[in-house]
Amino acid sequence: DAKTTQPPSMDCAEGRAANLPCNHSTISGNEYVYWYRQIHSQGPQYIIHGLKNNETNEMASLIITEDRKSSTLILPHATLRDTAVYYCIVRVEGTGGGADGLTFGKGTHLIIQP
Amino acid sequence: DAGITQSPRHKVTETGTPVTLRCHQTENHRYMYWYRQDPGHGLRLIHYSYGVKDTDKGEVSDGYSVSRSKTEDFLLTLESATSSQTSVYFCATLVKAGTMEQYFGPGTRLTVT
Repeated sequence: DAKTTQPPSMDCAEGRAANLPCNHSTISGNEYVYWYRQIHSQGPQYIIHGLKNNETNEMASLIITEDRKSSTLILPHATLRDTAVYYCIVRVEGTGGGADGLTFGKGTHLIIQP
Repeated sequence: DAGITQSPRHKVTETGTPVTLRCHQTENHRYMYWYRQDPGHGLRLIHYSYGVKDTDKGEVSDGYSVSRSKTEDFLLTLESATSSQTSVYFCATLVKAGTMEQYFGPGTRLTVT
C-alpha cells in the first residue's frame, strides 16, 4: 500500500471551507484514495473515496491531482461537529477479506474554531 | 446507515477472566471485522468474517477467538484476558463489496486489571 503523509494538525474557522491535504506520491494505478474521520470517543466514519476523478457527496469533496500524487479533502462549510482526526488511506479495491482491514496512520487533527 | 451495536460498551475485568464482546448488525452485511485501537498503534485488525461460520485471522489475532453463527452477530472472545488487551474494540461491516467502505460501531472500552 502506498504511504500517505498528512499534516498532524490544522485549524479552521467555523463556516469556512476546511481543506485537508494528503500526499501519496507512491500511489499505484489501481489504488484508491479513501478518507475516514474519527470524532473523539466514536468509531471511525467513512467520508469519501476516489480513483482519479474528483468526487463529491453530502459530506465532502475529494480533489485528486492529475498525477494522483496528492489529494485534498474539502469540507465546504465546517461546523464545530467536524472537529475530528481525519485519515487519508490509499488502498486497492477490496476483496472483502482480511486485506480490507483498515490501518490508520496518525491522520490530521482538524480543530474547528468558533 | 448500517446499524451496528456493540455490547457491552464499557467493561472492567480481571486478568485471567474470559470476556466476550458482541457485535450486532441489522443490514445483513456479509463481511464483519473486529479491530482494536490503542494510542501509538492506531487501528489494527484482529479477526474478520466473510460469512456465517467463516472467519479468519487479522494482524493481531493472538489471544482472541471469534464466532459467527448468524449473519447479524459477530462475537469476539478473550479466552483469558491480559492487561495488554486493555483497549478500545471496534466492530465494523463492509458496506459495499469491492470497496474499502466500512461502517464502524460505537466501540467497547475494555479495561483488564
